[in-house]
Amino acid sequence: SAVISQKPSRDICQRGTSLTIQCQVDSQVTMMFWYRQQPGQSLTLIATANQGSEATYESGFVIDKFPISRPNLTFSTLTVSNMSPEDSSIYLCSVRGGQVYNEQFFGPGTRLTVL
Amino acid sequence: TQLLEQSPQFLSIQEGENLTVYCNSSSVFSSLQWYRQEPGEGPVLLVTVVTGGEVKKLKRLTFQFGDARKDSSLHITAAQPGDTGLYLCAGGSGYQKVTFGTGTKLQVIP
Repeated sequence: SAVISQKPSRDICQRGTSLTIQCQVDSQVTMMFWYRQQPGQSLTLIATANQGSEATYESGFVIDKFPISRPNLTFSTLTVSNMSPEDSSIYLCSVRGGQVYNEQFFGPGTRLTVL
Repeated sequence: TQLLEQSPQFLSIQEGENLTVYCNSSSVFSSLQWYRQEPGEGPVLLVTVVTGGEVKKLKRLTFQFGDARKDSSLHITAAQPGDTGLYLCAGGSGYQKVTFGTGTKLQVIP
């Protein structure tokens, strides 16, 4: 299994500002995933980040709002730009691994509150 | 679009009771995972099932994959407060995107 850390763990931000969330993995991985989750609810995939290429965004998410960087095989960042209260959520990064391809390992999440 | 519906959505039970959570889809999955998430943490993988009809046991937790690989269940025997959390099933096929279930929030009252 992979060990994943995220920074910050939580933040309170003002409307119109941007926040960059960092995700560090203890091993090299090809794909990293960014999810959004309302507390107590399921996960919504924002985008898949591949090293050396542009991230692939899911329907409803755009690069201008959620730019992603993937400078190497162990690190990625997700920026939430021009924030509004609707962006208040938990943001999780994850990687695939394990004995079965679809198994995923998650970071502890970043709890964002936008005022 | 693949959907995974979980039921019930919420469950509040007394310590020592048994419970079952269901995960249903109209799609076939090559594998299905169950995760548990506690407040302030990311989801943690509990088990993967890959064969239709497969049953796996993890202490007091029993997981079953449907014969047609479209559904799964999680049964907890003699629930304890430490079982409290959000339970998520997730299905995938090959290299396709993983689909997460709608989630079941479990509260076990001491």
